[in-house]
Amino acid sequence: AQKITQTQPGMFVQEKEAVTLDCTYDTSDPSYGLFWYKQPSSGEMIFLIYQGSYDQQNATEGRYSLNFQKARKSANLVISASQLGDSAMYFCAMGRDNFNKFYFGSGTKLNVKP
Amino acid sequence: EPEVTQTPSHQVTQMGQEVILRCVPISNHLYFYWYRQILGQKVEFLVSFYNNEISEKSEIFDDQFSVERPDGSNFTLKIRSTKLEDSAMYFCASRRGGVGDTQYFGPGTRLTVL
Repeated sequence: AQKITQTQPGMFVQEKEAVTLDCTYDTSDPSYGLFWYKQPSSGEMIFLIYQGSYDQQNATEGRYSLNFQKARKSANLVISASQLGDSAMYFCAMGRDNFNKFYFGSGTKLNVKP
Repeated sequence: EPEVTQTPSHQVTQMGQEVILRCVPISNHLYFYWYRQILGQKVEFLVSFYNNEISEKSEIFDDQFSVERPDGSNFTLKIRSTKLEDSAMYFCASRRGGVGDTQYFGPGTRLTVL
């Protein structure tokens, strides 16, 4: 069974500090993709970052980086220099079957404190 | 910047009624998806659609659900006879194509079944 696990239901971080949101996955597919989405209280899903299973380097997008450890099957999101606007739910997702099917984790609610 | 749009933003219906949720994917995208998110829970994959047919569907997507791309722009999700447990946020997403190409989500339709 394909599975995405986010073990941190809630996290607090001080403004301007870095925070790591954990994500582990379980798949036997050789080819897959890992995604992170942000869901603010308004409800929309905002794409943040993508990591392919064959990518040699960790993905980065501005303040977001993905710590991809393939052997451990983990794809943690690192947010540097947290901002108050980063307060939201964060979902890790995996795409497989040529990205015809996606699985989401249960999410981590991040609160950034001033 | 092109975006996925969904209508209506909120739909209230009586149990047993049929509802159609509408989505306009990004114009040059080829892959289309529906997800649902029950309040406070994770995003669940329902179905993916490519080349005018369903590519994958989850166990949630039973005979009560159907999808259609009636013209070159719209992508619809129909629920034939709504149940109370169908109350959720329904997200449409689209993807251009190719491995690693991310999917972009619409703002969602909140369905309330009374």
